[in-house]
Amino acid sequence: QSMLTQPPSVSAAPGQKVTISCSGSSSTIGNNYVYWYLQLPGTAPKLLIYDNSERPSGVPDRFSGSKSGTSATLGITGLQTGDEADYFCGTWDSSLSAWVFGGGTKLTVL
Amino acid sequence: VQLVQSGAAVKKPGASVKISCEASGYTFTAYYIHWVRQAPGQGLQWIGCINPYNGATNFAQKFQGRVTMSRDTSITTAYMEMNRLTSDDTAVYYCAREVAAAARGSWFDPWGQGTLVTVSS
Repeated sequence: QSMLTQPPSVSAAPGQKVTISCSGSSSTIGNNYVYWYLQLPGTAPKLLIYDNSERPSGVPDRFSGSKSGTSATLGITGLQTGDEADYFCGTWDSSLSAWVFGGGTKLTVL
Repeated sequence: VQLVQSGAAVKKPGASVKISCEASGYTFTAYYIHWVRQAPGQGLQWIGCINPYNGATNFAQKFQGRVTMSRDTSITTAYMEMNRLTSDDTAVYYCAREVAAAARGSWFDPWGQGTLVTVSS
């Protein structure tokens, strides 16, 4: 059972904007940085957002991250068919002393 | 920077599996290596990590006593061995490097390509 809660799926048309939520608790998101990973079909996860809202070099500014309280949000604008993938949030759980992840959200670009 | 894992494995229930993760392109002993698994169609589950500098390990409670992690600094390779396998252990296992920044957080980058472990009688 995932310690972080994400919607199983989201969808939007090409060119549109979508947001993916990630809900946790005070021991997870509430007191730790949030990370987002992108997993294209059949490939390993890849870092998309670190420290709540920072983008690694090479990640387009169409991708953004934010955090408020015990929830975090990934935003993607100007959707492209190549954005179709699974998106996972992750953070440290201070109570469990363990890394935890969301169940993943499958993005479909209609 | 690259992590290259060993190939797929098929094991019978009760057996053990040992997966390798060869690092290149950076100082192996300067970054923790983590292991994360993904069961078919499921999310990511953290297993534990190893400090390649001194071999210290930390495991998720669920895996304590059933998983060991080791490393060979001479060949910049980390290993994860899981014992007493059951069908619930069927998953893709990933290694990942932890990158930490002073006064900031830490994250996993990059990840290995994954190793499929199938447990079946």
